[in-house]
Amino acid sequence: EVQLQQSGAELVKPGASVKLSCKTSGYTFSNYYMSWLKQMPGQNIEWIGNIYGGNGGTGYNQKFKGKATLTVDKSSSTAYMDLSSLTSEDSAVYFCARGGLRFDYWGQGVMVTVSS
Amino acid sequence: DIQMTQSPASLSASLGETVSIECLASEGISNDLAWYQQKSGKSPQLLIYAASRLQDGVPSRFSGSGSGTRYSLKISGMQPEDEADYFCQQSYKYPLTFGSGTKLEIK
Repeated sequence: EVQLQQSGAELVKPGASVKLSCKTSGYTFSNYYMSWLKQMPGQNIEWIGNIYGGNGGTGYNQKFKGKATLTVDKSSSTAYMDLSSLTSEDSAVYFCARGGLRFDYWGQGVMVTVSS
Repeated sequence: DIQMTQSPASLSASLGETVSIECLASEGISNDLAWYQQKSGKSPQLLIYAASRLQDGVPSRFSGSGSGTRYSLKISGMQPEDEADYFCQQSYKYPLTFGSGTKLEIK
């Protein structure tokens, strides 16, 4: 069974950074892209970028360049997303999802709250 | 970026009713379109890809159609478990973009 397990909710101060994780199981991690997506409360879904599990190659939405950095650890089949210089506009639920173009399995989502 | 205009923003349907949701792309997307269902507090689930292909495990009452810039999702016979938000998403060009969603409720 394919599973994507995301790390827990985060409360962070403005200006700080946070690293989110997405641990996978049930499939060959290095054969698939992993995407990260953002959903603000009651809002549309935004695609942040994707990363290939095989070689760590990345593609980003221009809107999130400089904000998000995607990495992978093949040895643990885990994808990571670093979010930097956080502001209130970064408060949202962040999902990891398998796939580079369409997303067939999703993590449960992690709420990031930016507040002093 | 390709803009995806989804309509209606919300609708209510009776059990057994057939409902349709539409998505209009700002340029042709060559059937590179997916539909997702998101229940309250949950992650989205892939229903349809390549405009009309049913994802494994999705009930056959869900169907997709369209071409060029206009696409639609149809639910033939509303069920209680279909109450959810629905989103379209294009994969024709990066950045991948989503419609603003349709909230479907039971009347």
